[in-house]
Amino acid sequence: EAGVAQSPRYKIIEKRQSVAFWCNPISGHATLYWYQQILGQGPKLLIQFQNNGVVDDSQLPKDRFSAERLKGVDSTLKIQPAKLEDSAVYLCASSLFPSNAEQFFGPGTRLTVL
Amino acid sequence: AQKVTQAQTEISVVEKEDVTLDCVYETRDTTYYLFWYKQPPSGELVFLIRRNSFDEQNEISGRYSWNFQKSTSSFNFTITASQVVDSAVYFCALTSGNEKLTFGTGTRLTIIP
Repeated sequence: EAGVAQSPRYKIIEKRQSVAFWCNPISGHATLYWYQQILGQGPKLLIQFQNNGVVDDSQLPKDRFSAERLKGVDSTLKIQPAKLEDSAVYLCASSLFPSNAEQFFGPGTRLTVL
Repeated sequence: AQKVTQAQTEISVVEKEDVTLDCVYETRDTTYYLFWYKQPPSGELVFLIRRNSFDEQNEISGRYSWNFQKSTSSFNFTITASQVVDSAVYFCALTSGNEKLTFGTGTRLTIIP
């Protein structure tokens, strides 16, 4: 069974530029999550989708971050414009059920904002 | 609000030694779920275990074992006869009610050959 796929693996941009990350969850997983992991910290949930609907985006900085999951499968996370403090690893995860189930994580995208 | 504390920031042990990673949690809910994830240098979090609050039985899986104690709100993880491949950052996590999955700050484990 294929795992969660993410691209790109690494991205370096200058502040105020835009960037987008892509995620393809495990086949059949209706729930998809985007996490931000700052160096030395645990992952922090940015947004959770159930199929193509948003379940929780309470910690998403909506003035600069946006995410979509068209057709309930792939998802993209965008940052526009980026700030220095956005430097982090962005992890995508998926799960079979929307709550309490184990989540399966992708390899992440390491973003560096200069 | 829920909280997970992993007081050990870094641990180093010599290969074949046993090591225990501590996890203390806080929640007001009586139904909750605890998790351990491993994050090797490649960066991908690997699921290790999920335990619900009604199951206090300890679990063993090969060299890994978990000790769940509701009385002390702890869910500790022990690796027996550690190996170099066990070197990673280990995260404890908690979800309860409608709360999102909350991770601790992680413990970086280094196994010295």
